[in-house]
Amino acid sequence: DTGVSQNPRHKITKRGQNVTFRCDPISEHNRLYWYRQTLGQGPEFLTYFQNEAQLEKSRLLSDRFSAERPKGSFSTLEIQRTEQGDSAMYLCASDRGAGNTIYFGEGSWLTVV
Amino acid sequence: KNEVEQSPQNLTAQEGEFITINCSYSVGISALHWLQQHPGGGIVSLFMLSSGKKKHGRLIATINIQEKHSSLHITASHPRDSAVYICAVGQGGSEKLVFGKGTKLTVNP
Repeated sequence: DTGVSQNPRHKITKRGQNVTFRCDPISEHNRLYWYRQTLGQGPEFLTYFQNEAQLEKSRLLSDRFSAERPKGSFSTLEIQRTEQGDSAMYLCASDRGAGNTIYFGEGSWLTVV
Repeated sequence: KNEVEQSPQNLTAQEGEFITINCSYSVGISALHWLQQHPGGGIVSLFMLSSGKKKHGRLIATINIQEKHSSLHITASHPRDSAVYICAVGQGGSEKLVFGKGTKLTVNP
């Protein structure tokens, strides 16, 4: 148990539907990250929060993707109008700041059919 | 060319063998991470290092900043070491990690 909790763990959705994933980081961690991983590849950075502020976003994060961390605790990642290319595992991670160990959640698997 | 390259992509070993996984990177870094990923997705941080060498149990990680290269060694490998090992680098000026594609290790009994 890494302490970072993600849900749902698995989601199958039809193309065009919206999906939302939730991440609960370790409680004292002020930094939270979202990554995306496809089969056979390493994770790719999507976005990063320090407390409630979204400080960095990847070009991978198209306008169909939005992430929030409203109170600096849990975070949500929403994908609107899903496409088959969105099928991947969405990983959340958190840490206490630079130089500290990063902790990953188990990931949320998305399949768009 | 990826910013982080790992070799080999796949590695099969017999129990007890000494394992080495390599990572080369092409950018300036603030830190390098070695991570372990088991089937099903969960990723565990093994090491974070910015210089020298670290050891934890049967695992040893080294980094050569001048050569932009790091190695992960596993001594006396065991079937439970079977996993994907991923190298990731943190770049100065950005909080994101850039990951290699991973090395799939299978240790047979």
